[in-house]
Amino acid sequence: TQLLEQSPQFLSIQEGENLTVYCNSSSVFSSLQWYRQEPGEGPVLLVTVVTGGEVKKLKRLTFQFGDARKDSSLHITAAQPGDTGLYLCAGARGTGANNLFFGTGTRLTVIP
Amino acid sequence: GAVVSQHPSRVICKSGTSVKIECRSLDFQATTMFWYRQFPKKSLMLMATSNEGSKATYEQGVEKDKFLINHASLTLSTLTVTSAHPEDSSFYICSAPGGRQSYNEQFFGPGTRLTVL
Repeated sequence: TQLLEQSPQFLSIQEGENLTVYCNSSSVFSSLQWYRQEPGEGPVLLVTVVTGGEVKKLKRLTFQFGDARKDSSLHITAAQPGDTGLYLCAGARGTGANNLFFGTGTRLTVIP
Repeated sequence: GAVVSQHPSRVICKSGTSVKIECRSLDFQATTMFWYRQFPKKSLMLMATSNEGSKATYEQGVEKDKFLINHASLTLSTLTVTSAHPEDSSFYICSAPGGRQSYNEQFFGPGTRLTVL
């Protein structure tokens, strides 16, 4: 059973388009992280959101933590080919990797 | 930011042989490190927690005798896949706690692609 479900699973869009990735759960998390992973590489932390309703921006990426701290979204504006990769959300329910639950992943392809 | 390295990045071996993968924290010390397995186009699956100076803690369903973990120093953890078989072929990634540890942020290594023939 996967604690965190991401949608869509796959997304292929043209350069310049906007997109939103969702990360949903029925569980409450103390914090939620978003990672991006490129082929053949390990995940790289993009952002951590902590407070319910929190919005964080990282250039063209906007992250939001749900009010109840059960879900999150990632919105990319004017996507570029460099945004291509696997996006993973991860919910934390304490310290230690056994308390870090990864989502199912969203594979994004941005076509030039 | 903190850097975690893995070696080798790719390894191809024959069925029945053992393969050792190293995970190093390059500019910080890590009393714990974590090992993940990732299948193609899938998310990460936690295999075990590597504890410096003590036994590793394995997740349910992970064979301890198959995946030997040693954390001999504060900067090095090793994962040995013993008597490897084709079904062990996968992408193995390690991580170490870093950044804001109260938020459970992890620094990941670049991964090791294991192919067992």
